[in-house]
Amino acid sequence: LAKTTQPISMDSYEGQEVNITCSHNNIATNDYITWYQQFPSQGPRFIIQGYKTKVTNEVASLFIPADRKSSTLSLPRVSLSDTAVYYCLVVEGDDKIIFGKGTRLHILP
Amino acid sequence: ETGVTQTPRHLVMGMTNKKSLKCEQHLGHNAMYWYKQSAKKPLELMFVYSLEERVENNSVPSRFSPECPNSSHLFLHLHTLQPEDSALYLCASSQDRAGREDLFFGPGTRLTVT
Repeated sequence: LAKTTQPISMDSYEGQEVNITCSHNNIATNDYITWYQQFPSQGPRFIIQGYKTKVTNEVASLFIPADRKSSTLSLPRVSLSDTAVYYCLVVEGDDKIIFGKGTRLHILP
Repeated sequence: ETGVTQTPRHLVMGMTNKKSLKCEQHLGHNAMYWYKQSAKKPLELMFVYSLEERVENNSVPSRFSPECPNSSHLFLHLHTLQPEDSALYLCASSQDRAGREDLFFGPGTRLTVT
């Protein structure tokens, strides 16, 4: 099971672009990279998933370099409501979906 | 109701009580999960059900007993819990039991064991 490493916490300001990088050095060929967002006292919410290059949806973009050993979640023009914990997961096939400690993002006014 | 619902949202119980947590998903999914989230700890996967059959039990103490009567409902029966079992218990569902499938979480039950 590929292990991920991401910063414990980050601060940013409203209106800024926030990039959270996740390392997954031993990612396997069939692994996909998935990001979840969790607000206090709520369950995590799926944000985005990708395999390689770039994926974009209405919430975020996910950048994955060619070697796939890392990925970067990009949140454009954050607001106070983006304050949450962001989890990076690497999952293959029927593997268990295991959450790490995530990155606690704090948006300041 | 849409998505994944959980009841109750908050529960306080003594160590000798028996209670049950309920989860219901309205998404037509085939897999359901119980996760535990303690303060300042990662989410811990407890149980996985696929098509009403338990496919995973991650070394969870027997004082936690899951039940999945159909693909839309999942219960977690609790008895003789310990104070360290106090946590947020999250139910989730996915279309199928596959790691790539998106997990849809409920709001959780905040459990306090006194």
